[in-house]
Formats: sequence, C-alpha cells, structure tokens
Amino acid sequence: AQKITQTQPGMFVQEKEAVTLDCTYDTSDPSYGLFWYKQPSSGEMIFLIYQGSYDQQNATEGRYSLNFQKARKSANLVISASQLGDSAMYFCAMRITGGGNKLTFGTGTQLKVEL
Amino acid sequence: DVKVTQSSRYLVKRTGEKVFLECVQDMDHENMFWYRQDPGLGLRLIYFSYDVKMKEKGDIPEGYSVSREKKERFSLILESASTNQTSMYLCASSDFTGPYEQYFGPGTRLTVT
Repeated sequence: AQKITQTQPGMFVQEKEAVTLDCTYDTSDPSYGLFWYKQPSSGEMIFLIYQGSYDQQNATEGRYSLNFQKARKSANLVISASQLGDSAMYFCAMRITGGGNKLTFGTGTQLKVEL
Repeated sequence: DVKVTQSSRYLVKRTGEKVFLECVQDMDHENMFWYRQDPGLGLRLIYFSYDVKMKEKGDIPEGYSVSREKKERFSLILESASTNQTSMYLCASSDFTGPYEQYFGPGTRLTVT
C-alpha cells in the first residue's frame, strides 16, 4: 500500500526567506506522480506543483520547486522568497498509475510566514 | 477555469438523519472524488467514480454511499448520520489525461449533533 509522510506539523519562516516542507513516500509501483496542494484558511485546495516518477528534472512553478530524490523517496516542496500569503496548510499527495487516479494524502504541514 | 461547486459550505444535521452532499463540476471530467478532512489525519478518500454510474470504495467508505447519475454530478450520502461523521467534506474532479491533478470544491463543513 502507498503512504505519504509529512513529519512537520507546523513550520515558521520569515518573510522573504526560503522554506522547505518535507514529504516522504512509500510505494512499490515504479510509475507514480507526486503533488503538492496549498489550503489557505478559507478552505479551498489549490494545486501547486506536480512531479512524475520518470521525470528527469525537478519540477518548478514560479516560486515553488519540488526537490525530488527518488532513491530516498522524498519529494520536498521548496518555497522561495516567502510571502505572508503563503501562510497555509500544505499537503503532499501521491497518485499510483492504474490506481483509478486517486490520490493518497499526507497529514499536512501548517506554514506560518512572519514579518 | 475548472469549477467544482458543493451544495453547502456549512451544514448542521441531527444524529440519524439522512444527509445528501452534492458536488457539481463544469469541466466534463470523468473522475470525481469525495474526501473527508480531519485535523491531524489529512484527507482520506471515501469514494470515487471514474464514469457515470460507476463507483469505487476508497479508504473509509463505511457509513457512506454515493450516486453518480450524470457525469457532472457526484453525491455523497450519509444514510444515518452519526456524530463521528462531523467533518469537512471535500469533493474533487480530474480528467483522464495527465498529470491528473484534482480540482477541489470549497468544502462542506458538516456538524452532526
């Protein structure tokens, strides 16, 4: 069975600093996808970034990058130049190819950006 | 823009009531999903559907059922609500083409008293 682990329940970062949110995963399937979502206090889930298991390069989307280390089974999210609006809950998720496109989510990391 | 809407943002029901949570998406997506979100547990999949009238159990289907009569609409049914079903319920949809990111509705916070 697949599993996502996020070991940081809460993180603080100063505005304009970079922050890394940890995510490790466990699967025996060679083909999978990894996602990060942001959930502000308003509740909606916002898709941020995706990494496929066969992608050679780490995914980047604006200030978000995914540090994908396949051998370590980690997919950490890096947010550069943090902004106050980045304060939110962040979830890592995994999709298994052939698993009906369903996602398995981690328990989330609450990020707070401070002045 | 993909839009996923849910029938209510907040709902209060009594123990034993039958509860319907409705979800509608406007992007012609084949896949639809129902999750519940609880503090410290993340999102857990209740049921999903990859086509009209098709459904698959997720990780925590007990106490729930679903209905998908039309492609754009996916309903979650609590046959007899219980207090341990007090939670945030999130609906999502996704296409059959990669990378299969899911688009979420705003959520329904259900309280069962």
